[in-house]
Amino acid sequence: ILNVEQSPQSLHVQEGDSTNFTCSFPSSNFYALHWYRWETAKSPEALFVMTLNGDEKKKGQISATLNTKEGYSYLYIKGSQPEDSATYLCAPRQAGTALIFGKGTTLSVSS
Amino acid sequence: DSGVTQTPKHLITATGQRVTLRCSPRSGDLSVYWYQQSLDQGLQFLIQYYNGEERAKGNILERFSAQQFPDLHSELNLSSLELGDSALYFCASSVDVPSTDTQYFGPGTRLTVL
Repeated sequence: ILNVEQSPQSLHVQEGDSTNFTCSFPSSNFYALHWYRWETAKSPEALFVMTLNGDEKKKGQISATLNTKEGYSYLYIKGSQPEDSATYLCAPRQAGTALIFGKGTTLSVSS
Repeated sequence: DSGVTQTPKHLITATGQRVTLRCSPRSGDLSVYWYQQSLDQGLQFLIQYYNGEERAKGNILERFSAQQFPDLHSELNLSSLELGDSALYFCASSVDVPSTDTQYFGPGTRLTVL
């Protein structure tokens, strides 16, 4: 079973702060990595799908990088806003397997 | 709104009972996935169907079963329910099987077993 670690487990920042979280996964047989955003009382919403080593994705003030050789991905949020408060899930996938979700990093942004 | 629908939204039942959760995928999506989210647990993959056939199996108990019908909607059947089966059950859908495919999640069904 793929072991996915996300850190930190939770994070509290002030509006305007920039922040980043880490997703660690086994690098063997890597196929793709998905990032999802999950707001309270809603369902997970896809942010990025990343496949190539060195891949970088950006959506508004949120960006992500991928290192498949060492098995990690970073998610960055520049200038956090209260509406960025959510749990951010990463889900790597090995060849021929389903997505395995980490437990997520819960971000709380205070105004 | 992801386009994936799930019914019912809430379900309260007793131990030993059987329930059926229903999912309708986004129009055009052939794959359906079922996930379970229990307290303090992440999203646990249960099972995937693609165009009516089982494609991948995760941590699905033998008391649970699923199927995907010709119109592509899917049902998850949970039987001999135990207290520990109380959880949020999500369905997700995607266009096709390839691993880079984005999954779109439904609103979930919250199951409470008393």
